[in-house]
Amino acid sequence: QKEVEQNSGPLSVPEGAIASLNCTYSDRGSQSFFWYRQYSGKSPELIMSIYSNGDKEDGRFTAQLNKASQYVSLLIRDSQPSDSATYLCAARREGGSYIPTFGRGTSLIVHP
Amino acid sequence: ETGVTQTPRHLVMGMTNKKSLKCEQHLGHNAMYWYKQSAKKPLELMFVYNFKEQTENNSVPSRFSPECPNSSHLFLHLHTLQPEDSALYLCASGENSGNTIYFGEGSWLTVV
Repeated sequence: QKEVEQNSGPLSVPEGAIASLNCTYSDRGSQSFFWYRQYSGKSPELIMSIYSNGDKEDGRFTAQLNKASQYVSLLIRDSQPSDSATYLCAARREGGSYIPTFGRGTSLIVHP
Repeated sequence: ETGVTQTPRHLVMGMTNKKSLKCEQHLGHNAMYWYKQSAKKPLELMFVYNFKEQTENNSVPSRFSPECPNSSHLFLHLHTLQPEDSALYLCASGENSGNTIYFGEGSWLTVV
């Protein structure tokens, strides 16, 4: 059973702080990892993807991947109230059906 | 604006009704997906189509019937649903060997 685990939260951080969102996955064959942001009542939108061990930065977002520990994280620097949303982690193995497996999502609240 | 459009955005139907959800993607992708999202649950994959052929049916009850007439269009026909089927139904598209999938805005379904 392929699983992606996330703490459902909510994770509450003050405006301007760093928000750290974590995700673990069970399928060692996973090669691609994605973070989606979902605002309440809206559909998920892709914000980051990462394929290699280490860090990948895009603006205020940094994705971190450690395949040995089967761990993915998303850091949001200088958090803004507009970052308040649910963040979904997804993992996908290469080959086969290429279908990503999603976690339950972590609710992030950034308070002014 | 999303490259994946879903209609209707909201649907209320009785348990004896027959209705359909429609999805259209303008991204040139060859794979399309139906997901169900219920409160406090991970995204549940329902169906996958690659090049119009169904490649995944994730043990979905027969009261949900998908149809994919071409690579750009996907339908979900609904018949004799139950109240527990009330959820957000998300269509997505992607390349079957590509790295990401893109979601539509979703169709909120309420079964009364």
